[in-house]
Amino acid sequence: DAGITQSPRHKVTETGTPVTLRCHQTENHRYMYWYRQDPGHGLRLIHYSYGVKDTDKGEVSDGYSVSRSKTEDFLLTLESATSSQTSVYFCAIKEGPGGSYEQYFGPGTRLTVT
Amino acid sequence: DAKTTQPTSMDCAEGRAANLPCNHSTISGNEYVYWYRQIHSQGPQYIIHGLKNNETNEMASLIITEDRKSSTLILPHATLRDTAVYYCMVSKTSYDKVIFGPGTSLSVIP
Repeated sequence: DAGITQSPRHKVTETGTPVTLRCHQTENHRYMYWYRQDPGHGLRLIHYSYGVKDTDKGEVSDGYSVSRSKTEDFLLTLESATSSQTSVYFCAIKEGPGGSYEQYFGPGTRLTVT
Repeated sequence: DAKTTQPTSMDCAEGRAANLPCNHSTISGNEYVYWYRQIHSQGPQYIIHGLKNNETNEMASLIITEDRKSSTLILPHATLRDTAVYYCMVSKTSYDKVIFGPGTSLSVIP
C-alpha cells in the first residue's frame, strides 16, 4: 500500500457535465499519473505530473485536463463528459530520482457517463 | 518508447512454474524492463524490474536475455491467486510516458 486514495470510487454523470476525479498520496512522491482502462485497450496514459504545477500529456489526453497545486493531490477534470469517457480511471505514483522507479496504483474510479 | 509484445493468454497448472515471455526488441540501453500484474478489477501491482541482470524477489524471477531483446517472468510455484493479467513494459528511470501493452492473461488451473 503506497498511501494512494482515489475519490470518488464510483460516479455516474450525464453527458456534458464537468467531472473532477481526485488522486491523493501521503508519501510525497514526485511523479503522478492518470490512466484509463477500457476493455480491449489495456491501460492508457492520459496525463502525468513530474512536480507541482508541472504536467504533460499522455497518449489519450484529448478531453481531459489536470492540475497539481500541491504534491499530494493530482486532479483529473473532464470539462464536458462524453459517453466515450466511460471507463475505469487509475492514478499511479512513482518515487523518482534517489528512490525506486516502479509505479504504485490506486484502487481506481469507475466513471459512467450516460 | 520501446514497445513490448506478449502472448494474449496462457494457462498454468497450480503448483507448477509459470513462464511468461515478453519481447522488447527496440529497447534502448537506459530502459528497464518492468513487470506488473492486475488481478480482476484492482489497480495494477508492481512485481519486479531489471536492466540486464537476472533479478529475483519474493514474488518472482526475471530473466533478461543477453541482447536484452526479450525477457521472461517466472512465477516459481503458481497458485490460483496468481490468475491475473501480466503486463511487461519498458521505461527509463526518469519520468516517462510509460506505455502498457495489452498484457498476458494467465489462468492458473487447479
